[in-house]
Amino acid sequence: DAGVTQSPTHLIKTRGQQVTLRCSPKSGHDTVSWYQQALGQGPQFIFQYYEEEERQRGNFPDRFSGHQFPNYSSELNVNALLLGDSALYLCASSSTTSAPYEQYFGPGTRLTVT
Amino acid sequence: QKEVEQDPGPLSVPEGAIVSLNCTYSNSAFQYFMWYRQYSRKGPELLMYTYSSGNKEDGRFTAQVDKSSKYISLFIRDSQPSDSATYLCAHAGGTSYGKLTFGQGTILTVHP
Repeated sequence: DAGVTQSPTHLIKTRGQQVTLRCSPKSGHDTVSWYQQALGQGPQFIFQYYEEEERQRGNFPDRFSGHQFPNYSSELNVNALLLGDSALYLCASSSTTSAPYEQYFGPGTRLTVT
Repeated sequence: QKEVEQDPGPLSVPEGAIVSLNCTYSNSAFQYFMWYRQYSRKGPELLMYTYSSGNKEDGRFTAQVDKSSKYISLFIRDSQPSDSATYLCAHAGGTSYGKLTFGQGTILTVHP
């Protein structure tokens, strides 16, 4: 049973560029959440997608946007990158038919903005 | 005030010790409490999941929630070097729906 997968593993971008990160949820899960984890900090909630719609959003600017596809996979897009966007970006999946707060995380994508 | 406060440590204990990790939270609306373990350069791994107050035990791990004092604890018995990781507490519920709010994480090292 494949867990949550994310790609790419690492990414280096320049300020002002745009980036797209990808996530495939755990088998049987229909909900995807994205988190940003700065070094030495706990993950911070960016947004959550269910049925291809953004269901809830954290305190992140509109530069952060996402999408969920019919197969439940998801993308996180960040525009106009800032140095402060350098972090580990985590995708977590869950199932609305079981415990929505029981979220399983992928290995993350480490984004470095120079 | 942060929604979830967690002492970042670091905490260093000898192998076999009992480890106590703690968090406090400010919003009593939250009902679901989680502990995650995160190894270096990996994603968080769900360890324990509890609802409302009380204890939950899973092998060497016990999670405890005291809603009256807004206190969350994780106890690790017979700690092993493989338990060395960052431990993150989190809560959810109320109007936050699927959003998890995490503490800063406590770095634990268990030395042989």
